[in-house]
Amino acid sequence: SQKIEQNSEALNIQEGKTATLTCNYTNYSPAYLQWYRQDPGRGPVFLLLIRENEKEKRKERLKVTFDTTLKQSLFHITASQPADSATYLCARGGNTPLVFGKGTRLSVIA
Amino acid sequence: DVKVTQSSRYLVKRTGEKVFLECVQDMDHENMFWYRQDPGLGLRLIYFSYDVKMKEKGDIPEGYSVSREKKERFSLILESASTNQTSMYLCASNPGQTYSGNTIYFGEGSWLTVV
Repeated sequence: SQKIEQNSEALNIQEGKTATLTCNYTNYSPAYLQWYRQDPGRGPVFLLLIRENEKEKRKERLKVTFDTTLKQSLFHITASQPADSATYLCARGGNTPLVFGKGTRLSVIA
Repeated sequence: DVKVTQSSRYLVKRTGEKVFLECVQDMDHENMFWYRQDPGLGLRLIYFSYDVKMKEKGDIPEGYSVSREKKERFSLILESASTNQTSMYLCASNPGQTYSGNTIYFGEGSWLTVV
């Protein structure tokens, strides 16, 4: 089966620093990787999508990379703020429904 | 804005009861999904549907069924609720022919407790 792994269950970071979250996948490269944010008790909300042939995507303070050699995507939040504290989910997709990782809970400490 | 509405936010049901979780989306999306989310296990796909009256099993369909009589509505049914079905259930939808090239929109979730 096509797996997606977010190795860090939790990450604590000081306000103003760059947070980097890791997502690894197995087997063949997915056509897409997507990143979502989930606040406690709420549904996930889409943040960014990156395609297999794209190296990097940016949106405001967010940046995501896709490395098919390492089979990895990195998600960066620059100048992190306490409001960025949430769980971030990575998902792989292609011609089947998205498969989600278990998420990384980010805490930004003031 | 796309809206995916789950009719019940919190439910408490007894073991053996039949449970209906309703979901409605307002953007004419072809695809609809039901996930459950548990601590340590993440989001797991139960069932999905790519058209009216069509359904496909996800990774954990056992103990569940679904119904999609209208394009905008996708119902999850627990035929005989059990305590191991206590969970948060998330409905989602997305447009188009492919499942995952498009953004998936989630509802706010339904917290089900089976006692």
